[in-house]
Amino acid sequence: DAGVTQSPTHLIKTRGQQVTLRCSPKSGHDTVSWYQQALGQGPQFIFQYYEEEERQRGNFPDRFSGHQFPNYSSELNVNALLLGDSALYLCASSHGTSVYGYTFGSGTRLTVV
Amino acid sequence: SQQGEEDPQALSIQEGENATMNCSYKTSINNLQWYRQNSGRGLVHLILIRSNEREKHSGRLRVTLDTSKKSSSLLITASRAADTASYFCAPQTGANNLFFGTGTRLTVIP
Repeated sequence: DAGVTQSPTHLIKTRGQQVTLRCSPKSGHDTVSWYQQALGQGPQFIFQYYEEEERQRGNFPDRFSGHQFPNYSSELNVNALLLGDSALYLCASSHGTSVYGYTFGSGTRLTVV
Repeated sequence: SQQGEEDPQALSIQEGENATMNCSYKTSINNLQWYRQNSGRGLVHLILIRSNEREKHSGRLRVTLDTSKKSSSLLITASRAADTASYFCAPQTGANNLFFGTGTRLTVIP
């Protein structure tokens, strides 16, 4: 049973460009959450998607947007990239209030130059 | 703030010793979860303890929860080099999302 799959694993972009990161949740999961983790820091909550709607959002600017598809997969889009957007982006999936918690992907390492 | 705060920030022990990490939080919770992260990788769910539970075990892990003090602890017994990682606690409210602190960096020396 595949876990959470994220693509790509690494990405280098130039300041001002746009980027799209992708996430396929674990089979049976219907909720996808995105996190940004800067080096040496804990994961920071960006937003959560459920039933193709953004259900909750953290303290991130509108440059960060997302989408969830009918098959529960999700995309994270970041526009007008800044150097400070360089980070590990983590996707996590879950189902309701599962006692098994969230399942995380291995992340996408984004470097903005 | 809905996130947990882990203490200490870093911990270094010898293989075979026990490691204890603490977590404090500020809001009422439905449950509290602990995760492990190996360097540069995704987080792995370790254990979930509900607000009406006081202690829970999973293998070499023991988690306690004191809702009156809004605190939790994670004990790893008989540590191994493979336990070297960052550990995060995540208090969860009814909103069904998780907020993480900066974690405890555990180093187990062989």
